[in-house]
Parts: sequence; structure tokens; C-alpha cells
Amino acid sequence: DSGVTQTPKHLITATGQRVTLRCSPRSGDLSVYWYQQSLDQGLQFLIQYYNGEERAKGNILERFSAQQFPDLHSELNLSSLELGDSALYFCASSPASGRITGELFFGEGSRLTVL
Amino acid sequence: GENVEQHPSTLSVQEGDSAVIKCTYSDSASNYFPWYKQELGKRPQLIIDIRSNVGEKKDQRIAVTLNKTAKHFSLHITETQPEDSAVYFCAATPFGNEKLTFGTGTRLTIIP
Repeated sequence: DSGVTQTPKHLITATGQRVTLRCSPRSGDLSVYWYQQSLDQGLQFLIQYYNGEERAKGNILERFSAQQFPDLHSELNLSSLELGDSALYFCASSPASGRITGELFFGEGSRLTVL
Repeated sequence: GENVEQHPSTLSVQEGDSAVIKCTYSDSASNYFPWYKQELGKRPQLIIDIRSNVGEKKDQRIAVTLNKTAKHFSLHITETQPEDSAVYFCAATPFGNEKLTFGTGTRLTIIP
């Protein structure tokens, strides 16, 4: 158990819909990262937050947005869903700001299926 | 930005044999190179990492080598066991975790 909690574990929805994925980082970790893993694909970095502020952005679509709340949990919002958005979405956390290196602790992921 | 290429995409080895996975990176400023293991249906987990001031690092049956001149690094697993079957990801960054770029992964299968 990494200490990172993601909900829901599985989500099935229809095209055009909107969903919210939730992540609670390890106790004490201030940085949260979101990654997308499509079938047989690598880990695509979406966005990172540190202590409530956006710190880095990857190839995140405009239809996607995220935020980190004062209690440090984070939510990833996916809207106007398309079939290609079907993927496993991972949240990871680390103690530091993201401007230093070290282990990322991944959650178990949220598997999104868009029909 | 950084670009990380990983080969092979799939690898099958007999139990007890060695496995080698190779990665190349594009940004000569990259200075941190972790390897993550993802078992089927599970989350990625860090198994070993190396920094640019070190050429080789070993942890039991796992070792990583780094060649900064050639901009490539490799994961070596010796005496492979069935539990080594997983997808392995290499990664590189020139500036902290927020710039971490992952390779596309290698699916390793250990044949009993």
C-alpha cells in the first residue's frame, strides 16, 4: 500500500459526459501528479500541483482540468468525454515541490471507460 | 523537452537467465534516471534509480548502468524469477520530478 488513495477504481460513462477523479496523497506529501496510461502505452504526464498551486503542465487537454484543495487532496475533471479518453488515470504524490527528484508514490489508479 | 526511448517493447527470457532493458534520452542536462515496475493491474513502483554522478548502481539482482556520453542507461536483472514478470518503465529528468519523462515501457515475461 503506497498510502495514495484514488477513487473511484472503475468508472464507465458515455461520450460527452463529465467525470471527476479524486486523489488523496500520502500523509505529509505536498505534491500531487496526474498521469494517463492508455492501453499498452506509457505514463503520460498531465499536471502537477504543489501545496495547492499548479506547478507543471504536461500534455493535458483543454477539456481536462485539475485542482488541489487546502487539505491537499486533488481532483481531475474530465469533460466532453471522447472514446479516446478511456484509460487508466494514476495519481502520484511526493513530499517535495517537484523541483527535486525522488520517488513518486502511485495510487492504484482509476480506470475510465467511455462508451 | 526530454524524450526517452525504451527498447525492447517486449522481452521474454527463461527463468534464471538475465534480462536487459535499454533506454536513451535526448536532454544532456538530465541527471536523474529512475526505473519503475508495474505488475499486471497494479500501480507503478520504484525499483531502482541512479543519478548522473554515478555510473552504476546495484541492488541484489537488479542493476542500472548509465553512460552520460552516449545518453543511455540500462536495467539489468540477473537470475530472473517468475515474479519479475511485469512492465518496466525507465524515466529521465533534467530538473526535478515535475519534468520527469517516462519511456513507453517493456513488458518482461519470465518463462518457467
